[in-house]
Amino acid sequence: QKEVEQNSGPLSVPEGAIASLNCTYSDRGSQSFFWYRQYSGKSPELIMFIYSNGDKEDGRFTAQLNKASQYVSLLIRDSQPSDSATYLCAVISNFGNEKLTFGTGTRLTIIP
Amino acid sequence: KAGVTQTPRYLIKTRGQQVTLSCSPISGHRSVSWYQQTPGQGLQFLFEYFSETQRNKGNFPGRFSGRQFSNSRSEMNVSTLELGDSALYLCASSSGTSRNTIYFGEGSWLTVV
Repeated sequence: QKEVEQNSGPLSVPEGAIASLNCTYSDRGSQSFFWYRQYSGKSPELIMFIYSNGDKEDGRFTAQLNKASQYVSLLIRDSQPSDSATYLCAVISNFGNEKLTFGTGTRLTIIP
Repeated sequence: KAGVTQTPRYLIKTRGQQVTLSCSPISGHRSVSWYQQTPGQGLQFLFEYFSETQRNKGNFPGRFSGRQFSNSRSEMNVSTLELGDSALYLCASSSGTSRNTIYFGEGSWLTVV
């Protein structure tokens, strides 16, 4: 079982709609959860991070964490063509270090 | 506020050679981590340095090594390069304390021929 799992996609969403990206993790003791966006040929760009159960909103982005279900999601409202990218979910399992374990990423395409 | 700076951005090396990559973290950040990204394996953790000490290490052979200086700048070295070492090498910067943001540099693209 992979430590962090994401659907590889591609996920196609019409412009203006809500894009929903999902991630599950295996280590129940995981502490911090990150969403990165990566355009082709570029490095990962931090979108959101969350460490408490519930929702965290930042502009058009909302991260949702459910530790009981070991599930974290990212919602993108009012999707724009510029949101087309690969979205990487990453998890830190232990306090005291900054080791990120990544999922394989979900490729998102926003259709104009 | 300056971001994470990695040098060189692109390089081509021959099998058997060695390479050194450099990373300057965000000012005030004390933790630097290194990752390798390939199409087949995705993003994999190499090692993390905090206050000049290696705090965590991934599952890479001993050919991969790193260090951190007193100003938090870090270098990683790969010796006896193999074709499979061709990858994007990413440096991540954070404060090093729990529950903080982690930012990546633009990366160093290494091609081994």
